[in-house]
Amino acid sequence: QVQLQESGPGLVKPSQTLSLTCTVSGASISSGSYYWSWIRQPPGKGLEWIGYIYSSGSSNYSPSLRSRVIISVDTSRNQFSLRLSSVTPADTAVYYCASVYTSMVHWGQGALVAVSS
Amino acid sequence: QSALTQPPSASGSPGQSVTISCTGTSNDVGGYNYVSWYQQHPGKAPKLMIYEVSQRPSGVPDRFSGSKSGNTASLTVSGLQAEDEADYYCSSYADSNILFGGGTKLTVL
Repeated sequence: QVQLQESGPGLVKPSQTLSLTCTVSGASISSGSYYWSWIRQPPGKGLEWIGYIYSSGSSNYSPSLRSRVIISVDTSRNQFSLRLSSVTPADTAVYYCASVYTSMVHWGQGALVAVSS
Repeated sequence: QSALTQPPSASGSPGQSVTISCTGTSNDVGGYNYVSWYQQHPGKAPKLMIYEVSQRPSGVPDRFSGSKSGNTASLTVSGLQAEDEADYYCSSYADSNILFGGGTKLTVL
């Protein structure tokens, strides 16, 4: 079955760039079966969609984060990545990666990223 | 685009049924049959329970059902069980974007 695993630093300083990678197993990113998405959840709050990317590299981002987000894909490593620039403490959250068909079908376990000096 | 509107809480006794609503607009919930529902237990990742308004993924009990009328989607949990106590989030496709509801905490009394 499809499994996803987030990885990256758990602590980022304000104004710096948050970087996370999602490694996919059980499916090939390049197969075109899914879009690949990032979602986040601040502590004690709800889910927020960040954006998604297709195997071709075409992507779309939440309007509220578009100016600071880049999602990229590395089909050779079966991974996709998130970069969020100019972070503030408000970006502290659990970040999830997920496979998307018409819904978020498979989810990673999540990675907590804290923004603090 | 605003988040979809869900009641913050819902509750029911074991064996009863409970319905959670998710209200959007004609640009999201009302405009597409791409509404999904997720269950999240504390400290865990969300789990897909309903997709495309009313479809259940393999392995999801048929106690969970979804529907939509106009700009409002609904999740019904029948025959409530203790393990159904969790947070539930709706989501909708919205013109190349994805929106989530604020979440509903379901308590089994």
